[in-house]
Amino acid sequence: TQLLEQSPQFLSIQEGENLTVYCNSSSVFSSLQWYRQEPGEGPVLLVTVVTGGEVKKLKRLTFQFGDARKDSSLHITAAQPGDTGLYLCAGALKDRGSTLGRLYFGRGTQLTVWP
Amino acid sequence: DTGVSQDPRHKITKRGQNVTFRCDPISEHNRLYWYRQTLGQGPEFLTYFQNEAQLEKSRLLSDRFSAERPKGSFSTLEIQRTEQGDSAMYLCATRDSLNYGYTFGSGTRLTVV
Repeated sequence: TQLLEQSPQFLSIQEGENLTVYCNSSSVFSSLQWYRQEPGEGPVLLVTVVTGGEVKKLKRLTFQFGDARKDSSLHITAAQPGDTGLYLCAGALKDRGSTLGRLYFGRGTQLTVWP
Repeated sequence: DTGVSQDPRHKITKRGQNVTFRCDPISEHNRLYWYRQTLGQGPEFLTYFQNEAQLEKSRLLSDRFSAERPKGSFSTLEIQRTEQGDSAMYLCATRDSLNYGYTFGSGTRLTVV
């Protein structure tokens, strides 16, 4: 079983549409990150959220960390073909001794944006 | 220093052979992680180092897998007696003591035939 559940697993939309990707867990995280990965490459960090209820914006992307620090969402406004990729959430467990230890990853959401 | 470098990018090997992968981190990053990723899955933790000390190993890391980070610089991941189930992308990531985010390398794609 995955510690972080992402939904949906696949998303195929037209350019200009809005979308939201969810990342949920029953565990509490000290921090949560979102990455984007393209085929044959390593994931690239988009954002880190560390405070419950925190909202961060990166151009057309809005990231939110749940109040209880168990979940997060990624919202993309007016999606473009360049947003196509695998979006991964990853978190560091709160009860671990170090917040700089391992990260737990979700399975990812494969987003395809058609022109 | 342009990022995390992994070598080779691709490796095809016959079942039963040994393989070794190398990761060169960003020089200021003292923490180095190895992950494995198969198709349709997120990265799966294998092991991590703080400087030269190996601080955690996944239970998934069988005794055929070994990792080293001599002198706290580059790291190697060796797989002995490879099996078809070892086919995956092996990712190296590093970070410094202040930031939460990982910087990943481009990975090594292993195919065991």
